[in-house]
Amino acid sequence: DVKVTQSSRYLVKRTGEKVFLECVQDMDHENMFWYRQDPGLGLRLIYFSYDVKMKEKGDIPEGYSVSREKKERFSLILESASTNQTSMYLCASRPLRRFLLSPLHFGNGTRLTVT
Amino acid sequence: DAKTTQPNSMESNEEEPVHLPCNHSTISGTDYIHWYRQLPSQGPEYVIHGLTSNVNNRMASLAIAEDRKSSTLILHRATLRDAAVYYCILLRLANAGGTSYGKLTFGQGTILTVHP
Repeated sequence: DVKVTQSSRYLVKRTGEKVFLECVQDMDHENMFWYRQDPGLGLRLIYFSYDVKMKEKGDIPEGYSVSREKKERFSLILESASTNQTSMYLCASRPLRRFLLSPLHFGNGTRLTVT
Repeated sequence: DAKTTQPNSMESNEEEPVHLPCNHSTISGTDYIHWYRQLPSQGPEYVIHGLTSNVNNRMASLAIAEDRKSSTLILHRATLRDAAVYYCILLRLANAGGTSYGKLTFGQGTILTVHP
């Protein structure tokens, strides 16, 4: 089974801190994604990467950046955390080959609270 | 973005079939219909997908209307473990940086409650 592991289940940070959310997958997937999930807004795509060192903006990239130095790891960075970035963050991966048929595999999420 | 419409919530009794509807009237010919579900305190998990024909797998069945403007996820015998938020999503081909990828846009989903 594919395993997508997010480094922290819960995280509490202060406004203005730099925050790193880490995600690792063990199936050699090319595509990796970061979503945030908020009540009433569903899942929204922040950034994605289709290969090492490649990144593309999703629907809500403002206030975030990402890093993909190794194929298995995709990091989401909040340069200066703000309270409106309090949310559940979900990482997902999928192979590039046959992407129309391949499901997304999600981690269990990191609940970030910014105070 | 490809939009789908689902009821906010549905209820079922254990061991009864459940039919979860989804409308996607703006679907294009190359959009795949995907269903995911999210159990409490977990990330979403894939359930099933289809293009034109009905599909079955060990988790569920997917019935797709002939005009593809709607679909129905069928859980044949609901269990308490099936209580979750079910998302109907259109996977649309998109391009970024010269590479094609399948973009999934999650809506609000349907909260399924299963009663013992």
